[in-house]
Amino acid sequence: EAGVAQSPRYKIIEKRQSVAFWCNPISGHATLYWYQQILGQGPKLLIQFQNNGVVDDSQLPKDRFSAERLKGVDSTLKIQPAKLEDSAVYLCASSLNSGALSYNEQFFGPGTRLTVL
Amino acid sequence: RKEVEQDPGPFNVPEGATVAFNCTYSNSASQSFFWYRQDCRKEPKLLMSVYSSGNEDGRFTAQLNRASQYISLLIRDSKLSDSATYLCVATGNQFYFGTGTSLTVIP
Repeated sequence: EAGVAQSPRYKIIEKRQSVAFWCNPISGHATLYWYQQILGQGPKLLIQFQNNGVVDDSQLPKDRFSAERLKGVDSTLKIQPAKLEDSAVYLCASSLNSGALSYNEQFFGPGTRLTVL
Repeated sequence: RKEVEQDPGPFNVPEGATVAFNCTYSNSASQSFFWYRQDCRKEPKLLMSVYSSGNEDGRFTAQLNRASQYISLLIRDSKLSDSATYLCVATGNQFYFGTGTSLTVIP
């Protein structure tokens, strides 16, 4: 079974530039997550999709970050404009489904390591 | 207050030692709990789910204490390959990850 795919694996940009990340979840997984992991910290949820609808984007800095999952399969996360503090690993994960307070296992992609100079 | 709190360590233990990690969570309504393992510069991978009755998988034992709102992970007979960061997870409105506990097993 193919895992969660992400691209690119690495990206270096200058502050104020834009960047986009792509994720393709495991086939059949309804729920897709984007996380930000800063060095030395645990992953922090940015946005959660259930099929093509947003379930939770409360921690997404909406002035600069946007995400979409138009057809309910793959997803893109964009940062525009980037700041130095956006340097992190951006992880995409998927799970079969999720319910209130109870979740299935999440499977993570390899992540995109972003460096903002 | 953080949803999930862990001692970041680092824990440096000799091969063959037993090591235990604890993790506390703040949402008493959380229903699902997990331990994930993350190797350096890799993505997190599920180590084990944590069930109310406790569960064991080889050298690894996970326990849940709902009254005190903590989960634990016990690793027996540590191997060099156990060196990694261990992340605990409790669910609320989302997956809440702890900051991770770093383990290094020394030859």
